[in-house]
Amino acid sequence: AQSVAQPEDQVNVAEGNPLTVKCTYSVSGNPYLFWYVQYPNRGLQFLLKYITGDNLVKGSYGFEAEFNKSQTSFHLKKPSALVSDSALYFCAALKRGYQKVTFGTGTKLQVIP
Amino acid sequence: GAGVSQTPSNKVTEKGKYVELRCDPISGHTALYWYRQSLGQGPEFLIYFQGTGAADDSGLPNDRFFAVRPEGSVSTLKIQRTERGDSAVYLCASSPETGELFFGEGSRLTVL
Repeated sequence: AQSVAQPEDQVNVAEGNPLTVKCTYSVSGNPYLFWYVQYPNRGLQFLLKYITGDNLVKGSYGFEAEFNKSQTSFHLKKPSALVSDSALYFCAALKRGYQKVTFGTGTKLQVIP
Repeated sequence: GAGVSQTPSNKVTEKGKYVELRCDPISGHTALYWYRQSLGQGPEFLIYFQGTGAADDSGLPNDRFFAVRPEGSVSTLKIQRTERGDSAVYLCASSPETGELFFGEGSRLTVL
């Protein structure tokens, strides 16, 4: 069975500082990996995805994620956090050849002014 | 609009009643998903459609839950004999089959 783990329920970071939101996955093969963001009372919004190739993936709003196959991780990063980045972030994985996308439990990011 | 549309946005019902939740996907997206999200949890997979057929319904919790997509576009999630434990936000997403999902804003179901 495939699973996605987000070990931190909440991450607090000061505005202007770099941020990292952690994600590890347990999916056989080389899965597709995704990050989504959810603002209060809104649906999930796609941020970025890893399919193949370069381990550093760039996405929307200045976010990027680093794929590490040996550690089965796909951590979300941003060089300089904004207060408006405060939201709930979900990591997700999709086993190649399948269609069922599995989500982590989410990490609340709080950017402090 | 061009996004995924879900109705109703809020539904309050009594235990034992029947509920229908509707999803209108992005035009041209052949793949459609239903997820359920409870407070403090990540989205939980329910069912996936490819065209008109349910390609994977392994996430439906029991036979009270059913979903259809008769013309390969709009989908309806149907819940019979609702229970308090069914209270959650039901999310619909469509996909252009490049992997990423485009979500609607969800239907919040409250069963009293």
